[in-house]
Amino acid sequence: EPEVTQTPSHQVTQMGQEVILRCVPISNHLYFYWYRQILGQKVEFLVSFYNNEISEKSEIFDDQFSVERPDGSNFTLKIRSTKLEDSAMYFCASSEVRPGGTQYFGPGTRLLVL
Amino acid sequence: QKEVEQNSGPLSVPEGAIASLNCTYSDRGSQSFFWYRQYSGKSPELIMSIYSNGDKEDGRFTAQLNKASQYVSLLIRDSQPSDSATYLCAVNGRGNKLVFGAGTILRVKS
Repeated sequence: EPEVTQTPSHQVTQMGQEVILRCVPISNHLYFYWYRQILGQKVEFLVSFYNNEISEKSEIFDDQFSVERPDGSNFTLKIRSTKLEDSAMYFCASSEVRPGGTQYFGPGTRLLVL
Repeated sequence: QKEVEQNSGPLSVPEGAIASLNCTYSDRGSQSFFWYRQYSGKSPELIMSIYSNGDKEDGRFTAQLNKASQYVSLLIRDSQPSDSATYLCAVNGRGNKLVFGAGTILRVKS
């Protein structure tokens, strides 16, 4: 069964460093998403991406964040200058292109900023 | 007003019983509704999607939607210890984003 994959599974970084989280969405999906979940809190939407552009972003997704689809398979989230409060689990998801389509989540990257 | 509300629990049920999980949402324009299961430290795993008023059954799971009351529920029949997890209600919003509730912790006791 097709699945979303994410690398790395864990990342530890120093405050102020840049990190890139990588995702490979399900191959026939064209809508991509990033969510995050701070420990003990709810899953929060960050950004959705379709047709090589951002279609929606949350207030969390400020200028420190960017997304990119560098090739036909990868989807990345970059955090330019990490802060302590960026420590969280980051989930990538993908869905088929239809309104309200089911989103399938990857296993997540646990980011720890020291 | 919270967009998606769930009772945080924990909801404790004995093995073999029916577990009933509830969710309310604030956006009347929402059209798609989802239940995900999340084990500790893992990602959300889709259980059910529902788009129309009424019931939708899939194995031991039944989702119920009432758009007039802005209410979604999930029933789990014959609950098993392996069903112990956090159950997340999610509602589709603008830009296809999912808005999640905080989740209900379910404990099934053997």
